[in-house]
This record gives sequence, C-alpha cells and structure tokens, in this order.
Amino acid sequence: DAKTTQPTSMDCAEGRAANLPCNHSTISGNEYVYWYRQIHSQGPQYIIHGLKNNETNEMASLIITEDRKSSTLILPHATLRDTAVYYCIVRGYSWGKLQFGAGTQVVVTP
Amino acid sequence: NAGVTQTPKFQVLKTGQSMTLQCAQDMNHEYMSWYRQDPGMGLRLIHYSVGAGITDQGEVPNGYNVSRSTTEDFPLRLLSAAPSQTSVYFCASRQGEAQPQHFGDGTRLSIL
Repeated sequence: DAKTTQPTSMDCAEGRAANLPCNHSTISGNEYVYWYRQIHSQGPQYIIHGLKNNETNEMASLIITEDRKSSTLILPHATLRDTAVYYCIVRGYSWGKLQFGAGTQVVVTP
Repeated sequence: NAGVTQTPKFQVLKTGQSMTLQCAQDMNHEYMSWYRQDPGMGLRLIHYSVGAGITDQGEVPNGYNVSRSTTEDFPLRLLSAAPSQTSVYFCASRQGEAQPQHFGDGTRLSIL
C-alpha cells in the first residue's frame, strides 16, 4: 500500500469549507484513496473513497488530481461535530494492511 | 441495524490473565479484522479473516488468537495478558475487497 502524507493539524471556522490535503505520490494504478475520521474515543468512521474520478456523497467531496499523486477532502460546511482526526489511506485490492498513519487533527471553531 | 458491536467497552486485567474480546456484525460481511490503537498512533492490524473458517495474521499478531466459526462473530483472545497489550482495540468488517471498513466503537483494555 502506498504511503500518505498529511498535515498534522488544521483549524477551520464553523460554517466554512474545510479542505484537507493528502499526498500519495507513490500510488499505483489499482489503489483507491479512502478517507476516514475518528472522533475522540469513537471508532473510525468511513467518509468517502475514490479511484480516479472526483466523488461526492452526503458527508464530503473527494478531489483526486489527474496524476493521482494527491487528493483533497472537502467538508463543504464544517460544524463543531466535524472536529476529529482525519485519515487519508491508499490501498488496493489485495487485503494487506490498512495503515492509518497519524492523520490530520481538524478543529472546527465557532 | 447495529453494524459492528464490540463487548466489553472497558476492561482491566492483571498480567497473566486471559480474556476474549467479542466482535459481532449483522451486515453479512465476509471480511473482518482486529486492530489496536495506542495513544497518538494509527491503527495496527492484529488478525483478519476473509470468511468463516479462514483467518490470517496481520502486523502485530503475537499474543493474540482469533477464530471465525460464523460469518457474524470474530472473537479476539488474549492468551496471557501483558502490560504492552494495554490499548484500544477496534473490530471492523467490510463487504468486499474494495469496500470501506465499518468499525465498532472499541474496547479499552488496561493491563496492570
């Protein structure tokens, strides 16, 4: 599985869009980009995933660059409940290890 | 729909004791796995299963056993608890190869 690089932390104002970057320059052709988040003392929560195309669901949007070496998770209207650690993960079809890394601590402020 | 259910939520053990962490899912998922999360760190894979009767080791399997007799249940056994196994344990399941994982709320285990 490809390694990912994320900023350690970022702040966002409530009601504004939060843009979370992730670098995965060693991604291979069959590897998906997944985003999870973990709110304090809870289990990780799936947000969104994609392969090549941009994706959107009720929680967020995922923008993947054309060369697939980086991606951005967009929370369109951040709320206080979006304060969490956000993990960007790259993995392929093989089972392998789901390496979560350290993630980005996002703090949404009023 | 309960999703992934883990019990107990909290447990304190003495060194050398054994115990079983329970995990059950009601989504008919074939794939299940166990992770541990230490403070300030990401999740590390302990054991996983791709179906009933099939299990394999992950990144940190030593000191843990698993079995998968049914699709729904995937218990994790600590054979002889050690302080180094103090951690938060998460169970997860997923439907297929490229499908996202669904996690339980974890078991917080302290070993004295």
